Amino acid sequence: DAGVIQSPRHEVTEMGQEVTLRCKPISGHNSLFWYRQTMMRGLELLIYFNNNVPIDDSGMPEDRFSAKMPNASFSTLKIQPSEPRDSAVYFCASTRSAGDYNEQFFGPGTRLTVL
Amino acid sequence: EDQVTQSPEALRLQEGESSSLNCSYTVSGLRGLFWYRQDPGKGPEFLFTLYSAGEEKEKERLKATLTKKESFLHITAPKPEDSATYLCAVQATGGFKTIFGAGTRLFVKA
Repeated sequence: DAGVIQSPRHEVTEMGQEVTLRCKPISGHNSLFWYRQTMMRGLELLIYFNNNVPIDDSGMPEDRFSAKMPNASFSTLKIQPSEPRDSAVYFCASTRSAGDYNEQFFGPGTRLTVL
Repeated sequence: EDQVTQSPEALRLQEGESSSLNCSYTVSGLRGLFWYRQDPGKGPEFLFTLYSAGEEKEKERLKATLTKKESFLHITAPKPEDSATYLCAVQATGGFKTIFGAGTRLFVKA
């Protein structure tokens, strides 16, 4: 298995632009998590899906952030408009069943820089 | 408020020098406690899940233990390849929100 796939790996954009991050979870996994990692705040959960349905989005910082999971093999995290303070590494993780507290498999991350 | 605190922030060891990393947590009810390893430029990699006080798990030179207030990751006779950031995380009952600690950066010198 290829593992969790994220794209792009690096994104540099200017303040005010729209940014879309993409994630393909491991086949057969039915839960997907989006995290953000910074030096100041560490690893923070943004939103979590189970069977393509958003379950907890309490970590989404503001309305500028939105996430979708149209099917079991694809999810997006969108920031519109982007701001310099959004600069961070964004990770996607998937697991077979959140109810079993199974291990989360993380992707390689997308390093976002907003100028 | 659910919280995870890891100590020390950084730890420097000589190869073969055993030590322990600490993870203190505060949750309304513990669903599970997780240990992950993160190498620079990569995503966290799962190590262990612990569910109840008294539980222990081992993997090669690593051993994780759990009490009602904290978890320890014991590293026995570490090697340079054990150098990484070790992250502790908890899930509280009633939801699946995973809260991570800030991590302990481990450096093992040959």
